[in-house]
Amino acid sequence: RKEVEQDPGPFNVPEGATVAFNCTYSNSASQSFFWYRQDCRKEPKLLMSVYSSGNEDGRFTAQLNRASQYISLLIRDSKLSDSATYLCVVNIKAAGNKLTFGGGTRVLVKP
Amino acid sequence: DGGITQSPKYLFRKEGQNVTLSCEQNLNHDAMYWYRQDPGQGLRLIYYSQIVNDFQKGDIAEGYSVSREKKESFPLTVTSAQKNPTAFYLCASSAGTVNYEQYFGPGTRLTVT
Repeated sequence: RKEVEQDPGPFNVPEGATVAFNCTYSNSASQSFFWYRQDCRKEPKLLMSVYSSGNEDGRFTAQLNRASQYISLLIRDSKLSDSATYLCVVNIKAAGNKLTFGGGTRVLVKP
Repeated sequence: DGGITQSPKYLFRKEGQNVTLSCEQNLNHDAMYWYRQDPGQGLRLIYYSQIVNDFQKGDIAEGYSVSREKKESFPLTVTSAQKNPTAFYLCASSAGTVNYEQYFGPGTRLTVT
């Protein structure tokens, strides 16, 4: 089983709609969580950290569910520019505090 | 402007040649990392360094070597021992290694034929 798993998608989303997707992690010792965005053939860019209480940044909302070991990302009022691959990233203490990346969820926002 | 630079953006080499990829940061970050990304796949950690003159192997270190002689520089050498070197190589840095976000350079696409 992979340490960090994501639905690869693609999630085809009409412009203006809401889309949400999850990421599951297998190690309960995981201590910090992030969402990164990666455009085609570009480097990943930090979208937001995920806090235990959940957090929101504009149209983006991230949640952490430690009991079920998953994090989620919700995008409201989707824009065409939101089309990208979203990477779930977990800091696993048992793995030497290194970041472990999921394979990414591809989102395509269409007019 | 603060950030991470990688050069070159594209690199072509013949099989059997060693090649060194450059990574420089002016963010005053202590930790630096090298990842490899293959098409349609996630990032895999090659090497990381938490402090100058110290580095550790990641998950796929075989066929690679690094050095960390200066805080701002973390070059990666892809040796001829690396069986499948063609990939997108990404360098990252962070202020620390516990609960710190990593910031990435623009990457180098290496093609070996």
